[in-house]
Amino acid sequence: YEVTQPLSVSVALRQTATITCGGDKLERRVVNWYHQRPGQAPVLLIYRDSNRPSGIPERFSASNSGNTATLAISRAQAGDEGDYYCQVWDSVWVFGGGTRLTVL
Amino acid sequence: EVKLVESGGGLVQPGGSLRLSCAASGFSVNGQYMTWVRQTPGKGLEWVSAIYSAGDPVYADSVKGRFTISRDISENTLDLEMSSLGAEDTAVYYCVKVGDDNNGFYFMDVWGKGTLVTVSS
Repeated sequence: YEVTQPLSVSVALRQTATITCGGDKLERRVVNWYHQRPGQAPVLLIYRDSNRPSGIPERFSASNSGNTATLAISRAQAGDEGDYYCQVWDSVWVFGGGTRLTVL
Repeated sequence: EVKLVESGGGLVQPGGSLRLSCAASGFSVNGQYMTWVRQTPGKGLEWVSAIYSAGDPVYADSVKGRFTISRDISENTLDLEMSSLGAEDTAVYYCVKVGDDNNGFYFMDVWGKGTLVTVSS
């Protein structure tokens, strides 16, 4: 099973960025999202399609429908830059290729 | 505080072996679902291996037969024994705790900072 992400997304400061994760009938699977800042380890951002762990701001939201899961980052800040990865389970853990977010 | 600290990375020659260790604090690795994830420099994340709560190990096809995952209960560590290493194994290796939402859905909720393995002559 494969999930695909755009290589890069840009967003203006304080605007909303959306990052997609595509896969066949993806809505039938559970999607997790991770954020990795440069030089740091990934951090869990969203689990089970749309749930935020404690400590993750409400600016981060996600959904999963059809063949696409979507991560939305509202009021984008400089600290939101980095790589975002979606992940699913398919007998093994599968990561998307990652999307580099740039805040302009 | 739940924390994971990897060690054991370094430079190894092609065909060589290396053992990574991950010291856990704030929880017990005994009965805990744990994984290793690696990241090639400048590239994306790749799941490598996992050990389920009951102790069953699983491996990515790319490392099956060469890597062995295990838990040391007395030391509270997660280990990864790697052999027949090739250039394609060069990566930062992350030790990761897998959490669940009590409804059978899993996610990687705690990550170590990683340890770099470089396979080169």
